[in-house]
Amino acid sequence: AQSVTQPDIHITVSEGASLELRCNYSYGATPYLFWYVQSPGQGLQLLLKYFSGDTLVQGIKGFEAEFKRSQSSFNLRKPSVHWSDAAEYFCAVGDGQAGTALIFGKGTTLSVSS
Amino acid sequence: GAVVSQHPSWVICKSGTSVKIECRSLDFQATTMFWYRQFPKQSLMLMATSNEGSKATYEQGVEKDKFLINHASLTLSTLTVTSAHPEDSSFYICSARDGASYEQYFGPGTRLTVT
Repeated sequence: AQSVTQPDIHITVSEGASLELRCNYSYGATPYLFWYVQSPGQGLQLLLKYFSGDTLVQGIKGFEAEFKRSQSSFNLRKPSVHWSDAAEYFCAVGDGQAGTALIFGKGTTLSVSS
Repeated sequence: GAVVSQHPSWVICKSGTSVKIECRSLDFQATTMFWYRQFPKQSLMLMATSNEGSKATYEQGVEKDKFLINHASLTLSTLTVTSAHPEDSSFYICSARDGASYEQYFGPGTRLTVT
């Protein structure tokens, strides 16, 4: 079955420290992978996406993600976290060629401590 | 970039009434739109897929007679929650697929509260 797993429900990081949010997927076709961020009461904002090519993808707000096919992973990273990064983060997978609906992970809540 | 709007952004209705939520693609033609539902502190769950000019495809467990979806044009899809109950209170998010690029864009969401 197609699925996305985000193993960490809640992560707390000190401001200025590095961050890695984990995402594993199970998908039959070639996966198109996404990371979204959602602030409380707000919609989704696309951070970055991977379709093909370079497996290290750069996104907005200083985020990057690395696609590892052998590990079925697409982990999100940021070298130095800012207090404004506190939010809910969702990993999603889809079939970009067919334009099907995205399958979302359960999300990881990021808290930033000072 | 491509923009998807939703209206209203927030609505309160009384139990037993119906409410309509609009999803519009503002600068592209959306051959397909998707409707998701998000409960507090939970992930997005796909409710249905709507293709312009045809009937929507509902996910298992979603009542099609309760959640009426109409995709009458390439820029507009509507979700009508009929005979709303408090358990229908949720955050409803649509996404639209650009018919030219197949990329998907999300709307800002509609918060429905049923009293």
